Amino acid sequence: QTVVTQEPSFAVSPGGTVTLTCGLSSGSVSTTNYPSWFQQTPGQTPRTLIYTTNTRSSGVPDRFSGSILGNKAALTITGAQADDESDYYCFLYLGSGVWVFGGGTKVTVL
Amino acid sequence: QLQLQESGPGLVKPSETLSLTCTVSGGSISSSSYHWGWVRQPPGKGLEWLATIHYSGTTYYNPSLKSRVIISMDTAKDQFSLKLSSVTSADTAVYYCARHFDHRFDPWGQGKLVTVSS
Repeated sequence: QTVVTQEPSFAVSPGGTVTLTCGLSSGSVSTTNYPSWFQQTPGQTPRTLIYTTNTRSSGVPDRFSGSILGNKAALTITGAQADDESDYYCFLYLGSGVWVFGGGTKVTVL
Repeated sequence: QLQLQESGPGLVKPSETLSLTCTVSGGSISSSSYHWGWVRQPPGKGLEWLATIHYSGTTYYNPSLKSRVIISMDTAKDQFSLKLSSVTSADTAVYYCARHFDHRFDPWGQGKLVTVSS
């Protein structure tokens, strides 16, 4: 069974930059996996940040950007703010009508 | 503005079937452009995609749950539903319905906590 891997946690200073990654236990992530990224603060519904690798969802600040870095999908937060402290989930299409979420990365801004 | 709302029992006994319905308002579930899906999140854990359906009737399932999950839709009522059979405590979670398109979910319902317990 294919597993989507994410860093369990990351800490970033206010105003700093952090890059979260999303990989596959078997193989590389590419644009054909249509990576998406979701942000979820405790007790809240997830919110789409990025879809199809690098398209920002409506209303999402441009400090959030998506890309492919090497063999992984990446979410970069440039100029982190206090309210970016959340859990971030990537979501990949594996093909044949199967999608899977990563385990999530907890980002702390301190 | 499109809105989704989950409904159904909040408590299900072990070995029974969990049944949830998602009601869509502010838009039609019959649009050929969109799919509709279910995602769940056990307490304190991550998100898990469960199933997705298109109004044409095409369905997609998480392989790890495929034998226990059925997704269906009622276009006349703008509703789609989830049935999960033979539940155990591991199925205790917040269940979200959402529009599934462009490989993302947007918008989401507010979520329905379902507890499996005798």
